[in-house]
Amino acid sequence: GESVGLHLPTLSVQEGDNSIINCAYSNSASDYFIWYKQESGKGPQFIIDIRSNMDKRQGQRVTVLLNKTVKHLSLQIAATQPGDSAVYFCAENIPTGFQKLVFGTGTRLLVSP
Amino acid sequence: NAGVTQTPKFQVLKTGQSMTLQCAQDMNHNSMYWYRQDPGMGLRLIYYSASEGTTDKGEVPNGYNVSRLNKREFSLRLESAAPSQTSVYFCASRKDRISGNTIYFGEGSWLTVV
Repeated sequence: GESVGLHLPTLSVQEGDNSIINCAYSNSASDYFIWYKQESGKGPQFIIDIRSNMDKRQGQRVTVLLNKTVKHLSLQIAATQPGDSAVYFCAENIPTGFQKLVFGTGTRLLVSP
Repeated sequence: NAGVTQTPKFQVLKTGQSMTLQCAQDMNHNSMYWYRQDPGMGLRLIYYSASEGTTDKGEVPNGYNVSRLNKREFSLRLESAAPSQTSVYFCASRKDRISGNTIYFGEGSWLTVV
């Protein structure tokens, strides 16, 4: 069922390292951002979100940083584990009447034991 | 709590055949969506339903139709399948169209049109 992300940028890390995955978003009016994890053959799974009035938000082993000046979002994963291997992508909410979500293409994270 | 459930998981169609992808959510969400995901591209919105009784086109609606059967169910129909519709399809739901509400996805339907 693997048909996603055949030509994605890849980040390779060792187990236990910290990982940083970056995302450039497109619209300066975007007011809400989400990070998703997608494992092979599965649907995107919510990881963490952040509103545009925040610069940083922490979850369990994950931190999202938002830099609105340069329209940049990053996901930091602490003590990366083999189970973190997946495609990660960000989404931005553009506050039109429809509240449109625009998704990035993603980064593949490979974690070696 | 199953979340978003979609069927079938895999399907192979011949060009010109029709089929319907089924989706149901048990989170009492108002908004539902159908996306397609192709290699090297982000998720692209096909159709959405902001609330029960309404449906609207997304970015790539051509060749598809939808039905919001009730609050729980949102189906996607391919009337005459084409090879360009080979893709992975995801149904999703969201509490409502307010920024700050996360969108939740089903597990995907892998469709191949030959």
